Amino acid sequence: ETGVTQSPTHLIKTRGQQVTLRCSSQSGHNTVSWYQQALGQGPQFIFQYYREEENGRGNFPPRFSGLQFPNYSSELNVNALELDDSALYLCASSSGTGYEQYFGPGTRLTVT
Amino acid sequence: AQSVTQLDSQVPVFEEAPVELRCNYSSSVSVYLFWYVQYPNQGLQLLLKYLSGSTLVKGINGFEAEFNKSQTSFHLRKPSVHISDTAEYFCAVDTGGFKTIFGAGTRLFVKA
Repeated sequence: ETGVTQSPTHLIKTRGQQVTLRCSSQSGHNTVSWYQQALGQGPQFIFQYYREEENGRGNFPPRFSGLQFPNYSSELNVNALELDDSALYLCASSSGTGYEQYFGPGTRLTVT
Repeated sequence: AQSVTQLDSQVPVFEEAPVELRCNYSSSVSVYLFWYVQYPNQGLQLLLKYLSGSTLVKGINGFEAEFNKSQTSFHLRKPSVHISDTAEYFCAVDTGGFKTIFGAGTRLFVKA
């Protein structure tokens, strides 16, 4: 059974650019959640996708958007990058809303 | 709204000593409670969870936690720590909906 994978591992972008992060969910999981973890802080919920539809959203601006594909993999897109977007972005998959989440290793985004 | 407070940002302890990492939460509804561990440059791994039933929950790596509804606490304990337990530990709360709220984390540092 393959776990949750994320790509790329590390990424450096310039302020104002756009970025796409990718997540492959664990086999059999139809729900993907994205979290932002700034240095020295706990993960902050960005949004969740369930069967290709956004199922809930945290306190993040619209320039954070996402997609979930028929195979339940997911993308996180961030437009107009700001310095404060520098963080570890974590993806977690589960077999439904409210079920145990399995986390990927994360993508470290640095905005300069 | 739910919130999670981890009362200690850092806990230094000698190897083979016992440790307790403290977590308090607030919620107006019933919650599920979790402890995750994060090793450097990795994602989160579930240590244990409380969904219902017995208030003493046993997890992996010899950790356990006790749910105390009257004190709204979910403290994590281990009777004898190892160097390999050095990591960041996160307490989290979930109401069974789409959003998991994490605490700010406690850094456990085990000294030889």
